[in-house]
Amino acid sequence: EIVLTQSPATLSLSPGERATLSCRASQSVSSYLAWYQQKPGQAPRLLIYDASNRAAGIPARFSGSGSGTDFTLTISGLEPEDFAVYYCQQRSNWPLTFGGGTEVEIK
Amino acid sequence: QVQLVESGGGVVQPGRSLRLSCAASGFTFSNYGIHWVRQAPGKGLEWVAVISYDGKNKYYADSVKGRFTISRDNSKSTVYLQMNSLRSEDTAVYYCAKDDSGGRGFDSWGQGTLVSVSS
Repeated sequence: EIVLTQSPATLSLSPGERATLSCRASQSVSSYLAWYQQKPGQAPRLLIYDASNRAAGIPARFSGSGSGTDFTLTISGLEPEDFAVYYCQQRSNWPLTFGGGTEVEIK
Repeated sequence: QVQLVESGGGVVQPGRSLRLSCAASGFTFSNYGIHWVRQAPGKGLEWVAVISYDGKNKYYADSVKGRFTISRDNSKSTVYLQMNSLRSEDTAVYYCAKDDSGGRGFDSWGQGTLVSVSS
C-alpha cells in the first residue's frame, strides 16, 4: 500500500497569506495525485486532479505541482473560506489511499 | 445537478451486519464508477471500496476485504455496501463518491451516513 505523508499537520496563517502544503508518497505515484478540501460537517470537495489540474469551478488561487513522490498544493492569498482541512489522495495503485490531512487554521 | 444520497447507517452491535445505499441522480449513472470513503470521528479520510461503471470490477481496502461487498443496480441508479462482521473500528461516517469522467478524482460526494458499531 502506498503511504501518503502530509506536512505540516497544521498551518497557522492569516487571510491574504500564501499557504504551501506538502504531500509525500512512499513510492512513485507518477502524476496520479488529487487534492481535496474539507470543511467541518461537510463532505470533501475535489480541488486538483492529476497533480496540477484544477477541478471545475475551483478558483485560480489553488494550484498543484509535483510528480513522482513529492507534491505541493499552494493557495496564493488565503480567503476566509479557505480555512479547512486538505487531503491528498493517490490513484496510482490499489488500494487507493489518502494522506492524513493538513489543517489550515486562522492565525 | 449531480446528487448522491446515502442511507442505511445506524447503531449496530459488533459482529452484526448493515447495508448502506447510495442513490444517485443528475447524471448518467451507468457511465461512472462509484466509491465508498469513510471517516472515523475526528479522523482523516479512508478509501473503502470502488465498483466500476458496469459492476464488473471491484476493489477493496485491506481493512474491509472479505467482510464488505460493494454492488450496484444501474436500473435503480443505486450502489450498495454490504457490511458484515462489523467491528468497533468500522465506526465512521460513510460517504459515497462519484468518479470524474477520467477516474482522476472524486468529483461529487454525498452528505454521508453515520455507522456506529457498539455493544
